[in-house]
Amino acid sequence: GENVEQHPSTLSVQEGDSAVIKCTYSDSASNYFPWYKQELGKRPQLIIDIRSNVGEKKDQRIAVTLNKTAKHFSLHITETQPEDSAVYFCAAARGNKLVFGAGTILRVKS
Amino acid sequence: DAGVIQSPRHEVTEMGQEVTLRCKPISGHDYLFWYRQTMMRGLELLIYFNNNVPIDDSGMPEDRFSAKMPNASFSTLKIQPSEPRDSAVYFCASSARGILAGGLQETQYFGPGTRLLVL
Repeated sequence: GENVEQHPSTLSVQEGDSAVIKCTYSDSASNYFPWYKQELGKRPQLIIDIRSNVGEKKDQRIAVTLNKTAKHFSLHITETQPEDSAVYFCAAARGNKLVFGAGTILRVKS
Repeated sequence: DAGVIQSPRHEVTEMGQEVTLRCKPISGHDYLFWYRQTMMRGLELLIYFNNNVPIDDSGMPEDRFSAKMPNASFSTLKIQPSEPRDSAVYFCASSARGILAGGLQETQYFGPGTRLLVL
C-alpha cells in the first residue's frame, strides 16, 4: 500500500521567513496530494491540494509543488506569521483513501 | 452549513465498556470516512463508506471495532469491549464525491473529533 514520509518532524522559523515541508510517497498511482493544517485540539483543515496533472499550485502565501518522477511534493509558506504555527500533514491518495504523513510541527517565532 | 458534526466531543469510559461514536456528514456528501489519531500512529483511516455502503474496512484494528451507516446523514463507530489502547481522537470526515476511475478526488472535510479516554 501507500507509504508517505514527511520531513522535518519539527520546524522553527523566524516570523517573516519561509518554511518548507517535504513529503515523499511510494505509490506511483497516487494522484491527489492535499495538505492539512491542525491547530492544537482542533480538526485537520485543508489548506491546499494538488492533483497529479499539475506541477505547482499557489494560494497567496502558500504553494505546493509536485514532482511525479521523484514521487515527492512540498509545501512552501512564505512570509510566515505566528498564526501559521500548527501541525501540518501531507497526504497522498489513490482512489478515496488518504494516507497521511506523520506531521510537521511548525513554530513561528515572533 | 454546519459542517461535519460529531458526538460526543469527549468520552471517558472504563475498560470493557461499549463506546459509540456518532457522526453526521455534510448534507449532500456521499462519502464518509472514520479516522483515528494518536501520537504513536498519527492519522489512520479506519473505514469509509460510499452511499451508506462500507467500501474499505481494512484499517479497522480488530473485531472489537464496528461501523455502520444506516442512512445518508448518520454513521456510528462502535468499540465493544473498549481497551485503554483505544484511547485516541476519532475523526469523521465527509466528501462530496470520490474518485471515479481516472477522475478527481474531492476535499475531505473533518469533523471536530471525539476525544476518547479508556481507563
